[in-house]
Amino acid sequence: QKEVEQNSGPLSVPEGAIASLNCTYSDRVSQSFFWYRQYSGKSPELIMSIYSNGDKEDGRFTAQLNKASQYVSLLIRDSQPSDSATYLCAVINNNDMRFGAGTRLTVKP
Amino acid sequence: SAVISQKPSRDICQRGTSLTIQCQVDSQVTMMFWYRQQPGQSLTLIATANQGSEATYESGFVIDKFPISRPNLTFSTLTVSNMSPEDSSIYLCSVGVIRTDEQFFGPGTRLTVL
Repeated sequence: QKEVEQNSGPLSVPEGAIASLNCTYSDRVSQSFFWYRQYSGKSPELIMSIYSNGDKEDGRFTAQLNKASQYVSLLIRDSQPSDSATYLCAVINNNDMRFGAGTRLTVKP
Repeated sequence: SAVISQKPSRDICQRGTSLTIQCQVDSQVTMMFWYRQQPGQSLTLIATANQGSEATYESGFVIDKFPISRPNLTFSTLTVSNMSPEDSSIYLCSVGVIRTDEQFFGPGTRLTVL
């Protein structure tokens, strides 16, 4: 079992829709969770951090964490073509950051 | 947040040679890391660069192949030694924030080995 699993996609949504990205992790004691956005040819950019169960909202982005289910998600409201990128889920495991394979999102105008 | 730069931004190298990648941060940071991102893949941690002591390598990565230096709190280097085409990747340094576990990445070095 991979430490961090994501649906690789591609995920395609129309402009203005909600994009939902999902991630599961294997280490039950993980405490810190992150979402990175990576545009093609660029380095990852941190967009959300979440540490406790529930929702955390920042602008159009909402991260959701459920530690009992070992599940973290990212919702992007009012998706824009500029949101088209690969989204990487990352989890702190034994003090090291482990990344999922990433989900490629395309937002169609 | 810290500004992170890497040099070179890209390089094309011949097999059997070595390349040293530099990572410079504009403020002192405790945690620095080196990652590899192979084409179409996610990020894999190579090692934690420790200031004043040997780097801590992940399983599958060894010091002879990827020697790392960390002479101070703002600078680190990663050398890719005796390169083969399989080493063609993007190499990224990151800095960590102890209080939040967040990491911020440099722009990366795109390496192609012929």
